[in-house]
Amino acid sequence: ELKVEQNPLFLSMQEGKNYTIYCNYSTTSDRLYWYRQDPGKSLESLFVLLSNGAVKQEGRLMASLDTKARLSTLHITAAVHDLSATYFCSYWGYGGSQGNLIFGKGTKLSVKP
Amino acid sequence: NAGVTQTPKFQVLKTGQSMTLQCAQDMNHNSMYWYRQDPGMGLRLIYYSASEGTTDKGEVPNGYNVSRLNKREFSLRLESAAPSQTSVYFCASTKRDTQYFGPGTRLTVL
Repeated sequence: ELKVEQNPLFLSMQEGKNYTIYCNYSTTSDRLYWYRQDPGKSLESLFVLLSNGAVKQEGRLMASLDTKARLSTLHITAAVHDLSATYFCSYWGYGGSQGNLIFGKGTKLSVKP
Repeated sequence: NAGVTQTPKFQVLKTGQSMTLQCAQDMNHNSMYWYRQDPGMGLRLIYYSASEGTTDKGEVPNGYNVSRLNKREFSLRLESAAPSQTSVYFCASTKRDTQYFGPGTRLTVL
């Protein structure tokens, strides 16, 4: 079964703190994506990770990929209120002959002063 | 450069009615996608088109049809709408693995 598990699903943080969101996926893949969605808005692509050991950083967010463990992490450093949003990961999985882009349920992040 | 555009933004249908959701991109991307987003479910892929003239089923294709009219346009049709199709629909296109999403269509089926 193709599936993605994100945890936690809800995260309440204080400004200035660090935290990590985890994304486990079920089948072999070498491409993993992270997105951000603000309430009532569309999705914005944050990171594309294309190989084992890939690490990308943008501002206070850093994403990494371990294809052997089928795990990606999104690390938040010194959180600020502007990072409050829902974060999704997704990956291309193959079941039988067909590929499919599978999303996690999202992690709703709330950063409080 | 408008990116990915979708019409309409909102729509209310009665059960059994049909409609087509339109999507267009002006970025000359080959790949285009249709997703639905339901509360607590994340996004689920309905159909995608890797290039003009080709379409493939995603995770939840039942009850939908698609047309890749040309490189710019990818439409999603509901032939006989059902309440289970109440959702927010997003279109996206891809360049070098980065997806660009449209603003979404909020569809309610009564």
